[in-house]
Amino acid sequence: AQSVTQPDIHITVSEGASLELRCNYSYGATPYLFWYVQSPGQGLQLLLKYFSGDTLVQGIKGFEAEFKRSQSSFNLRKPSVHWSDAAEYFCAVGAGRDAGGTSYAKLTFGQGTILTVHP
Amino acid sequence: ETGVTQTPRHLVMGMTNKKSLKCEQHLGHNAMYWYKQSAKKPLELMFVYNFKEQTENNSVPSRFSPECPNSSHLFLHLHTLQPEDSALYLCASSQDWDRLLSPLHFGNGTRLTVT
Repeated sequence: AQSVTQPDIHITVSEGASLELRCNYSYGATPYLFWYVQSPGQGLQLLLKYFSGDTLVQGIKGFEAEFKRSQSSFNLRKPSVHWSDAAEYFCAVGAGRDAGGTSYAKLTFGQGTILTVHP
Repeated sequence: ETGVTQTPRHLVMGMTNKKSLKCEQHLGHNAMYWYKQSAKKPLELMFVYNFKEQTENNSVPSRFSPECPNSSHLFLHLHTLQPEDSALYLCASSQDWDRLLSPLHFGNGTRLTVT
C-alpha cells in the first residue's frame, strides 16, 4: 500500500524568503504525485502534479516540485514566499493501474504542513 | 455558480439528531467523493461514486449514509453520530473515477460538531 510522509508539521518563513516543503512517499511502482494547498476555511486546491517525464514540474502560484526517485521524495519549492502563501500544504500519492490492469485511482494524503509567513 | 458547493458550511448536532450534508458540482464531472478531515490526521477517503454508482466504501460506519441521485449531487446522511465524528467533511469531484489524470476539485467543506 502507498503512504506519504510530510516530516514538517509546521514551518515559519519570512516574506520574500525561499521555501521548501518536504514529502516522502512509499510505493512499489512509479507513483502519481500531487501537491494541494488549503487556505483557512477553504477546500483543497491542486498546485501541481507529476505523472511522468520531466522530474521538475511547475505549478500555479509560482510553485515547483522535483521528483527524486532515488530519495522517494517530491519536495515543493518556491523561490520567494508571499504572505498570501500562508496555508496548509498536502502532498498526495496515487496509484495508477496495477499489474492486473485494475484501476486503483485512490489518493493517499500526507498529514499536511502548516506554513506561516512573517512580514 | 461554478465549482463544488457544499452546504451547510457549519453544523452542530446532538448525538441523537439526524442531519444531511449536501454537495453539488457544476463541472460536468462523473465522479464524486466524500472525505473526512480531522485535526492532526491525514485526509480520509470515505466514499466514491462514479456515474451515480458507489465504487468505494472505505470501511465507514453505518451511521454515515451516502446518497448520489445524479452525477451532480451528493449527500451524506448522518444519524446517531459520536463526538469523535466532529471534523471537516469535504466533498470533491473529478472527471472520472479511474483516471488519475483528472484532478480532484474540492468544495469548501462542512465543519461538523457533534455535541
